[in-house]
Order: sequence, then C-alpha cells, then structure tokens
Amino acid sequence: EAQVTQNPRYLITVTGKKLTVTCSQNMNHEYMSWYRQDPGLGLRQIYYSMNVEVTDKGDVPEGYKVSRKEKRNFPLILESPSPNQTSLYFCASSLTGRQNSPLHFGNGTRLTVT
Amino acid sequence: AQKITQTQPGMFVQEKEAVTLDCTYDTSDQSYGLFWYKQPSSGEMIFLIYQGSYDEQNATEGRYSLNFQKARKSANLVISASQLGDSAMYFCAMREGGKAAGNKLTFGGGTRVLVKP
Repeated sequence: EAQVTQNPRYLITVTGKKLTVTCSQNMNHEYMSWYRQDPGLGLRQIYYSMNVEVTDKGDVPEGYKVSRKEKRNFPLILESPSPNQTSLYFCASSLTGRQNSPLHFGNGTRLTVT
Repeated sequence: AQKITQTQPGMFVQEKEAVTLDCTYDTSDQSYGLFWYKQPSSGEMIFLIYQGSYDEQNATEGRYSLNFQKARKSANLVISASQLGDSAMYFCAMREGGKAAGNKLTFGGGTRVLVKP
C-alpha cells in the first residue's frame, strides 16, 4: 500500500531530551516535508527536501533539524526540545515539488514536551 | 494578507444532503494548484481532490467536486450525499510554483463539518 509512515504516533518527553521522529515513504517521491499543526496557527512548514541531500528551511525551522540521506526517509530531529514544540507533526511527500503534485501526509505524531 | 480564506468555521449538514465549503485564495502566480484535505477527529490528513489553475473543467472525485471560479479566485468543495463519516475538519490549500514559495502547501483555517443523522 502506498503510504507515508511516521513514528511514533504519540510521544511524551521532557525538556532537553533529544528525540527523532521518523518518516518513510514507499512511493518513490522526490519531495518530502515536515509540518506542525497548532490551534489558531494552522499548519506551518518546518523543513522540506526537494530530493536526496537537498533540504531547506520552511517557515518555522528553529529548533529542528532534518536529513535526507535516502530518498524514502526524512527524519525530524529535535536536539533540545522545549515546551513550545508541543504540537501535532506531519510528514508529507509528493512526487515532485511542482504545484500540481498533491502532498500525501503521514498519520501524524502528537508530541508533548514537559 | 491571508492566502487561503475559509469563511465558515463550522457547519451542520443533514445526512444524504449536499454541502458546499467555501474557499477563496490569493496569488499573483499564473500556475498554481488547489487542494482539499479532510482531517477526521483521529487526526490524519487525507487528500481529497486537486484542481490545477489551467484546468478548464472542474475536478471531481467520487462524491467530491470542486467548483473552480478562477476570475473570482474561489475553489469551493462540494460534498454530495453526505454520510456520517464525512464529519471532520476540511482544509483548502494552495501550492504555488517557484522555489521562493518553498514549494509548500499553504492552508486555510479549516471548516468543521458535522453530519446529522
């Protein structure tokens, strides 16, 4: 089944403890990105990747890192999480980065930082 | 200025009836894509339908259709024969061309739909 898989689904952690949210897609998509969703602020892009080894900042990149060493994987790293990073996170991918290419989302990771 | 505006924060619809969700957008690009997504209470984001800026025909996908009026910059979603499982948050989104836009999807604020039996 074609899908974007992100793990874990739920995560509770403490301030400063490094964590990684994994994301993998099996559709051979070139483009991948991370979004966070917050009440009142909507969905905002954190980072994106046009292809392997090519990543760039989105609208809210502070406090996050990404890497794209393989086409299928695009992990999100929080080196030192803080409570303001409590959010619902989505990984998404599309065949290309073009405007006619729908983004397909993973099921989301609900992160709580205490 | 908001790029995607959804003016209906919430609405009720009777089961088996049709419902129209409004979406207006703002862009100076000639080439762009318009999308609708559904987010049920379980949280996942489900792609429903796509309309390209150069498409002359309105997009349809099963019970979903998109009423695209380019001159008015509107892209309304029509759900026909509503079902209880259609109860969810619905987001209109736009993807503009050009790397400067980050190739990202810009989302509206969403419309919550509740289908009544």
